[in-house]
Amino acid sequence: NAGVTQTPKFQVLKTGQSMTLQCAQDMNHNSMYWYRQDPGMGLRLIYYSASEGTTDKGEVPNGYNVSRLNKREFSLRLESAAPSQTSVYFCASSQLPDSDYEQYFGPGTRLTVT
Amino acid sequence: ELKVEQNPLFLSMQEGKNYTIYCNYSTTSDRLYWYRQDPGKSLESLFVLLSNGAVKQEGRLMASLDTKARLSTLHITAAVHDLSATYFCAVDHAGNQFYFGTGTSLTVIP
Repeated sequence: NAGVTQTPKFQVLKTGQSMTLQCAQDMNHNSMYWYRQDPGMGLRLIYYSASEGTTDKGEVPNGYNVSRLNKREFSLRLESAAPSQTSVYFCASSQLPDSDYEQYFGPGTRLTVT
Repeated sequence: ELKVEQNPLFLSMQEGKNYTIYCNYSTTSDRLYWYRQDPGKSLESLFVLLSNGAVKQEGRLMASLDTKARLSTLHITAAVHDLSATYFCAVDHAGNQFYFGTGTSLTVIP
């Protein structure tokens, strides 16, 4: 039981390049989330998916796109990376709005855009 | 926009002492969460508080929730070095919109 996995763990991009961050969970959770964490700012929600086939914007969606490929997988795409997107990205999943309210986090992806 | 404020942002305390971290939020919320993060690591769930007056305890940590005051506290009893970490509170609004505080960096000094 791996929980929430993310790939890659580290990535360096040049400005304007694109990439996709992958996330998968094996807990059969309905909801999945993408966050970014910047120093001194806590975590901010980028996008979330309440169920397979649905996605919604969070607090800071600009510059990102997401795909809920199936119940297990939720990917985050940067179409044209900018230095302001240098951050640590966390994927999470939960069974909200059902009884298990816990959010389970992946190990994170450290992204640097030069 | 929902805001979540924690204080203090930085806390240095001696082993054996007690202290409280405060978490205020600006609008009604369904649930209040506390997480721990060690340097370079992911977030670990500590508590989920579901209703007004909820109190949960695990070891030297105790969390409480006052929804009328929109305030949660994380109380540390007789701190030990292993509790050194960053602690975040978070609220969820409308089911899936999570808002996090900026975190409290706790250092426990021998």
